[in-house]
Amino acid sequence: EVQLVQSGAEVKKPGESLKISCKCSGYSFATYWLGWVRRMPGKGLEWMGIIYPGDSDTRYSPPFQGQVTISGDNSINTAYLQWSSLKASDTAMYYCARTRAGTTSAFDIWGQGTMVTVSS
Amino acid sequence: QSVLTQPPSVSGAPGQRVTISCTGSSSNIGAGYDVHWYEQIPGRAPKLLIYANINRPSGVPDRFSGSKSGTSASLAISGLQAEDEADYYCQAYDSSLRDVVFGGGTKLTVL
Repeated sequence: EVQLVQSGAEVKKPGESLKISCKCSGYSFATYWLGWVRRMPGKGLEWMGIIYPGDSDTRYSPPFQGQVTISGDNSINTAYLQWSSLKASDTAMYYCARTRAGTTSAFDIWGQGTMVTVSS
Repeated sequence: QSVLTQPPSVSGAPGQRVTISCTGSSSNIGAGYDVHWYEQIPGRAPKLLIYANINRPSGVPDRFSGSKSGTSASLAISGLQAEDEADYYCQAYDSSLRDVVFGGGTKLTVL
């Protein structure tokens, strides 16, 4: 069974750093793109970026370029989303999701989501 | 304001059919990029309903169907059930923005 299991909820202060994870199982991790999607409270879905673990090719949505870093570790089939300095506006639910062919294909399997709360 | 426009809400009685539109432009849907549809039940992760305009993943009931024409796409749900109450999103690539975009989402209420 294909599964994406995300790390637990986080509560952080503005300015702190954070790295959340997405552990993938049941398929060949290196041969599918893995993306991240944000849903802010009361808002819709936003595509943040994707990574191809096979060669670490990474694409970012322009609004998120430079704001977050997407990475992966093939040895443990895990993808990451990280911030170096959180802002209150980063408060949101973050989902990882798998896609076959990059920017034009659908996310067919989703993680359960990680809630990130940034508050002083 | 997304470049893919969806109605904020739709509603229907159990058993009825509803459609949700996703209107784009010549740089996304009209350029031939595939449209995908997702369902998000409150408190749950999104779920893929339709991929590449018309295709249903295994396990998605045939009550759900997708179509695409010109610069628009639509999701139709027939035989509405209470469990269909959710937010629905379309998604496509936009070549002008060089970005993947979601529609603003449509809240379906089953009366």
